[in-house]
Amino acid sequence: VQLVDSGGGLVQPGGSLKLSCAASGFTFSDSAIHWVRQASGKGLEWVGRIGGKPNNYATTYGASVKGRFTLSRDDSKNTASLQMNGLKVEDTAVYYCTRNYNFFFDSWGQGTLVTVST
Amino acid sequence: QSALTQPASVSGSPGQSITISCTGTSSDIGAYNYVSWYQQHPGKAPKLIVYGVDSRPSGVSHRLSGSKSGSAAFLTISGLQAEDEADYYCTSYTTTTAFVFGSGTRVTVL
Repeated sequence: VQLVDSGGGLVQPGGSLKLSCAASGFTFSDSAIHWVRQASGKGLEWVGRIGGKPNNYATTYGASVKGRFTLSRDDSKNTASLQMNGLKVEDTAVYYCTRNYNFFFDSWGQGTLVTVST
Repeated sequence: QSALTQPASVSGSPGQSITISCTGTSSDIGAYNYVSWYQQHPGKAPKLIVYGVDSRPSGVSHRLSGSKSGSAAFLTISGLQAEDEADYYCTSYTTTTAFVFGSGTRVTVL
């Protein structure tokens, strides 16, 4: 099982950025993909999840990003994405994608850094 | 959803046992047996060490064990070793179909 995060970078407040998570080594369409972020020196924060085909690709978002972030996936490319709009300085963090297997996170990407600053 | 409460730091000497607490509510830890624990070394991604309250993934040391009582979960590290020095996070599924992480605990081996 492998997950590779990408797409991070520097963006101004109010801007947009799209992160990607490329998966391999498992049946991607059956798996829920979650995103977790970590600001520098801070703890882990759950961002949201997109379910797999068995769950009709249902999405749930954390309160701090609801209405600004959108999760999607392309099972034909084994890729999940996190579209981030209306970015705020407090969204600055390393973002990890992770596979959820039976209510726990068994595999993680390496993380991609998002910096929101002028 | 507020973060689960963990002590900021716990320390112990090599060979000792330590326990990290993770306190939640009836809407998360108290509602399900879906508590998991993660170990994170500096600059690295988190690593799953306990799932389903008290199960260990293959390859994780038997010195690590999890438990739960009511709305609180616990991670015990027995026979503390230098390699155990890291940050530890608990997480739980919640009644709003979301997940919540703990505030994190820094373990120091004296």
